[in-house]
Amino acid sequence: DGGITQSPKYLFRKEGQNVTLSCEQNLNHDAMYWYRQDPGQGLRLIYYSQIVNDFQKGDIAEGYSVSREKKESFPLTVTSAQKNPTAFYLCAAGRSGGGTEAFFGQGTRLTVV
Amino acid sequence: GESVGLHLPTLSVQEGDNSIINCAYSNSASDYFIWYKQESGKGPQFIIDIRSNMDKRQGQRVTVLLNKTVKHLSLQIAATQPGDSAVYFCAENMGDYKLSFGAGTTVTVRA
Repeated sequence: DGGITQSPKYLFRKEGQNVTLSCEQNLNHDAMYWYRQDPGQGLRLIYYSQIVNDFQKGDIAEGYSVSREKKESFPLTVTSAQKNPTAFYLCAAGRSGGGTEAFFGQGTRLTVV
Repeated sequence: GESVGLHLPTLSVQEGDNSIINCAYSNSASDYFIWYKQESGKGPQFIIDIRSNMDKRQGQRVTVLLNKTVKHLSLQIAATQPGDSAVYFCAENMGDYKLSFGAGTTVTVRA
């Protein structure tokens, strides 16, 4: 909601496979973020991007990769190197520079089977 | 019902009562704070924010209080309704890119 679209809502992956989560925004915000949420826990930052063609690692970037080729799009790839990928993934967008709220999508629940 | 003092992971409140949700933030340099509400299976929704040059801010049925001396933030919900049942997160920002989130408080409203 709020102009952030994540797809799919549910995703199942076999061990050893890479999978890409989609995030699109129509808010015209420069900054985009990926967070991971585990049951009963807060949100942890995976990657963020403040401008097209630039992104930085967050607190738990290992086993993940991103790209930011367009302002509207910030896909997240969960690689086979991520040892515990089952989680709820949240994408957000906001104005760059901080000091403002981030708007979240509805999340993708990834399950490794 | 209210949680006073330390952060509590859960809060049960009678419908119609006021709720107080507490949050201790970590960085004295943080200058911007947000409360989010997250319903089951959904993304967090913005509720209210406050900057460090303020002590109190009011919205519709919600009030946020900031005590910088003890690094404490609280969210007050007036006349709690069943639709207020959710997990509530506080987040702090130090003026850069990053929002750091607390562990969240699960609010359950009793009919």
